[in-house]
Amino acid sequence: GQNIDQPTEMTATEGAIVQINCTYQTSGFNGLFWYQQHAGEAPTFLSYNVLDGLEEKGRFSSFLSRSKGYSYLLLKELQMKDSASYLCAVRDTGGFKTIFGAGTRLFVKA
Amino acid sequence: AAGVIQSPRHLIKEKRETATLKCYPIPRHDTVYWYQQGPGQDPQFLISFYEKMQSDKGSIPDRFSAQQFSDYHSELNMSSLELGDSALYFCASSTDAAESGYTFGSGTRLTVV
Repeated sequence: GQNIDQPTEMTATEGAIVQINCTYQTSGFNGLFWYQQHAGEAPTFLSYNVLDGLEEKGRFSSFLSRSKGYSYLLLKELQMKDSASYLCAVRDTGGFKTIFGAGTRLFVKA
Repeated sequence: AAGVIQSPRHLIKEKRETATLKCYPIPRHDTVYWYQQGPGQDPQFLISFYEKMQSDKGSIPDRFSAQQFSDYHSELNMSSLELGDSALYFCASSTDAAESGYTFGSGTRLTVV
């Protein structure tokens, strides 16, 4: 079956660092994505990992361990505008379907 | 830069009516995906098209159908609408390059009353 688990909610302070974890069990694996989604808006692409290790992109970094079925998204120097849902998504083998997790709602407080 | 265009942005229909949602992908993107997102829910994959052929199918009800046309735009047709069909419907497009992820449209908010 397909299962992607993320914490439901997290709260962090402006300027701090937060790590959002994701574990997955899927029948196929062709890459893991992180998307940001503000309420009522479309998801926007943040990062992509297909090999083990850390991918850094500005304030955001994403890590993948395929053997553990585990990823995390690291957000540094948090800003109020980072308050959003963060969706972990796994692309199926063959590449035509991406399964999304339920998302982690991040609240950034002053 | 051109984005994924969806129309209409909002749609209100009564139960048992039909609805058609349209999606215009980014030029040169060869794959289109449809997702349904209920309030507070994750996006649920419905169906995808690659080069105008259906490439994958998810949790799309039999009452729904979709197709991709020669100009690469796609339409999601929904019949016998039910209250539970009320949701945000997102279309996304992508290229073969997996690392670029999907580009989502702004979505169509369907309300069934």
